[in-house]
Order: sequence, then structure tokens, then C-alpha cells
Amino acid sequence: GDSVTQMEGPVTLSEEAFLTINCTYTATGYPSLFWYVQYPGEGLQLLLKATKADDKGSNKGFEATYRKETTSFHLEKGSVQVSDSAVYFCALYTGTASKLTFGTGTRLQVTL
Amino acid sequence: DGGITQSPKYLFRKEGQNVTLSCEQNLNHDAMYWYRQDPGQGLRLIYYSQIVNDFQKGDIAEGYSVSREKKESFPLTVTSAQKNPTAFYLCASSIDGQGRTGELFFGEGSRLTVL
Repeated sequence: GDSVTQMEGPVTLSEEAFLTINCTYTATGYPSLFWYVQYPGEGLQLLLKATKADDKGSNKGFEATYRKETTSFHLEKGSVQVSDSAVYFCALYTGTASKLTFGTGTRLQVTL
Repeated sequence: DGGITQSPKYLFRKEGQNVTLSCEQNLNHDAMYWYRQDPGQGLRLIYYSQIVNDFQKGDIAEGYSVSREKKESFPLTVTSAQKNPTAFYLCASSIDGQGRTGELFFGEGSRLTVL
């Protein structure tokens, strides 16, 4: 079945550091890929998405590129801020399952 | 403002009691979902509904029940049969019944604690 694997957290960075959160997937067919973010005490929000190979999703300085050859969708940001502290979830969608499959989430902590 | 409203935000329950979590949306979305979130396990799908008066079991439906009598409402009942109900519950919706866009809109969640 479909699955998503994320790097375990927490990831702790100083402000203005470069961020990478790894995400790899296993899926039948050609999935759409997503990153969701959950700020403390809140529900999830869509951060960015990519629907086909080589697409790059971007939002709020975050980027992720859909790499079919490595089945990956790593999240990156060039300079993190304290306000980016949250839990980040990688997810995939395939028409076969008609539902989103989420990774376990990666907690990011950014300090001054 | 359009969105998804979950209530209550915090709920305490004694063992053996059923409890119902409310989820209301005014986005005019066809599909609604319930997820359970536990530390280190990400989100797991409990039930989903693609259209009014229809719903399907997700990956962990045992001990839960739902109804979808109105498009805007999708309440979740956590029954006494659920062996480990303490968790954070998230309701979500998507614009189409098949969820083809894969884009979900989430409520702020309800934290259930069994005493």
C-alpha cells in the first residue's frame, strides 16, 4: 500500500539556518505530493503541493521538488525563522486510494 | 469567514462513556474526514464521507461511529468500545467527494482525555 516516510525529529535549528526535512514515498500509480504544517494547538494547513514529476511547490519561502526517480519530496527553506517552529507533515494522494496518506510528522524547533 | 469548526476543544470522559465530537463546515465541501493524531504516529484516518448520507470506514474505524445527515455536519462518536480513546481528533473537508485535489481543510482539533 501507499506509505510516506519522514525523517524523525525534532529538528532544532538556529534562526536563519538552512532547513531540509526529508520525505520519501511508496505509491502505486502517480501520486500528488503535499506538505502540511501544524502550528502548536492548531489543525493542519496546506503549505505546498506538487502534482507531477519535476514540479516544484513553493510557499512562504519553503520549496519542495517532486523527484520521481528517487521517490522523494524533501522540504527546504533557505533561512528559517522562529515563527516556522511547527510540525511538518509530508503526504501523498493517489486516485487508487482516494485518500491522503500522511507521514508521521517532523517537529521543527527554531531558536534565536 | 468560511472554515471548519470543531467542538469542544477539550473533553474529558470517564471510561465506559460514549462521547460525541462536533464538526461543522461552511465551505460547501462535499467530502469530510475524521483523523486521529497520536504522538509519533502521524494522522490516521477514522472515517470519511464523500457525500451526504454516505460514509466509509478508514484505517482505524473500530470503536467509532459517524453520521452525515447534513452536508455541513459530520459528528464523530467515540464509543466505549474504543480501547484507547485518548488522542487529538482532527476533522477535515475537501471540495470534491473524491478528494481528487488531495487538498484538505482542517479544523483546530478536539483533544479527548479519558480519565
